[in-house]
Amino acid sequence: EVQLVESGGGLVQPGGSLRLSCAASGFTFISYWMHWVRQAPGEGLMWVSRINNDGTSTVYVDSVRGRFTVSRDNAKNTVYLQMNSLRDDDTAVYYCTRGTPNLSTFDQWGQGTLVTVSS
Amino acid sequence: DIQMTQSPSTLSASIGDRVTITCRASQSIFSYLAWHQQKPGKAPKLLIYGASSLESGVPSRFTGSGSGTEFTLTINSLQPDDFATYYCHQYSTNPLTFGGGTKVEIK
Repeated sequence: EVQLVESGGGLVQPGGSLRLSCAASGFTFISYWMHWVRQAPGEGLMWVSRINNDGTSTVYVDSVRGRFTVSRDNAKNTVYLQMNSLRDDDTAVYYCTRGTPNLSTFDQWGQGTLVTVSS
Repeated sequence: DIQMTQSPSTLSASIGDRVTITCRASQSIFSYLAWHQQKPGKAPKLLIYGASSLESGVPSRFTGSGSGTEFTLTINSLQPDDFATYYCHQYSTNPLTFGGGTKVEIK
C-alpha cells in the first residue's frame, strides 16, 4: 500500500523556521517526483514546490522562493521541506504528494501536517 | 502564471442528479488537467487526469472532458459519497495551479 506520512508541523513564531518531513512507503520512491501542496484554513489548494527523482532539480512558487528549500533522501525514502523566515500567511496544512516525472498531476496525497505561524 | 477559474463555487444538488462543474484556464493547457475531490478534514484524492482519464478505482459516474482552455467534470447520478469540494488542477506549466474549488452540497 502506498503511504505518504508527513510530520514536523507545529506552532512557530513569525520569522522562525520549521522542517517538514514526508516518509514514503509502498512504492519505488526514486521513480517519482515529489511535491508539497498547502491549504490555508478555509481556503483552496496551492502548490508550493517540486523536486525531481534524484534531487537535482527543484521548483518553487514565487511566494516561498528563497525562504523554503525542498530536498530528498532516497536512501531513507523521505522528502523534506525546510521553511525559513516564516510569515503569518504561511499558516496552512502542508501535504506531501507524489507525481510521475515530467508533466503529471498528483496521484497520491499524504494526510497533511498543520503549520501555524503566530506570535 | 496560468489562472484556473472554476464555476460554480457552490452547487446544491440532490441524490441522483447529474452535475457539471466547469474549469477555464487563462491559456491553453492542452489536456494537462486533473480533477481532485476533497472531503472535510481529509486530503484530496485524484479522480481524473489528462482531462478525461479516470484514475483507477474511481467510479465510472465521474467523467471529464475538454482540452485547451475549457474543461468539465460531470458526475452522473450523484451519490451520498460525492458531496465534497472539487478542484481542477493544471500541470502544463510551472507554477502548477488549482481552481478555487466547487463545493457540492446536499439540496
